[in-house]
Amino acid sequence: NAGVTQTPKFQVLKTGQSMTLQCAQDMNHNSMYWYRQDPGMGLRLIYYSASEGTTDKGEVPNGYNVSRLNKREFSLRLESAAPSQTSVYFCASGSGTGVRNSPLHFGNGTRLTVT
Amino acid sequence: AQTVTQSQPEMSVQEAETVTLSCTYDTSESNYYLFWYKQPPSRQMILVIRQEAYKQQNATENRFSVNFQKAAKSFSLKISDSQLGDTAMYFCAFVNFGNEKLTFGTGTRLTIIP
Repeated sequence: NAGVTQTPKFQVLKTGQSMTLQCAQDMNHNSMYWYRQDPGMGLRLIYYSASEGTTDKGEVPNGYNVSRLNKREFSLRLESAAPSQTSVYFCASGSGTGVRNSPLHFGNGTRLTVT
Repeated sequence: AQTVTQSQPEMSVQEAETVTLSCTYDTSESNYYLFWYKQPPSRQMILVIRQEAYKQQNATENRFSVNFQKAAKSFSLKISDSQLGDTAMYFCAFVNFGNEKLTFGTGTRLTIIP
């Protein structure tokens, strides 16, 4: 049982380049989330998808776009990377009863560096 | 806006000792949920314990327990008989009822010393 799988694990981009972070879960969860983790700031929600076909902004959505491709997959796209987007990115999923009732299952993170 | 504050950036204790991690939060809502998540060096985030605000009884999970003080908006985590595998970053988190936006604190790095 793989849980939540994120790719890639590491990525270095130049300013202005674009890339997509991939996330897939095999737990039949309805909700999926993208967080970023920066030193001294904890985790901050970028976007989330409460169910297939829906997406909503989180705390720090600027500079990002998301796609809920199907129930399993939720991708995060950086159209024009900036140094401020250097961070560790986590994908998470949760059952349909919401984050309050079920624990989030996290992937192992993607360390992104923008130079 | 909700905020979660963890005032202890780092802590260390001897193996088998008991340690308490502090967390305070701010909200105007009365119905919400609190969590402690653990992030070991592997970076994987793991739920440790969950507390519902409308329940007065403090949650416990084996060696982990919380002291939930609703009036004081305090939610501390106590780890008893600490083990080397407890070494990790610990994040306090909060979500309002009916909301999906989980707010995390800045974390406490806990080191268990052999």
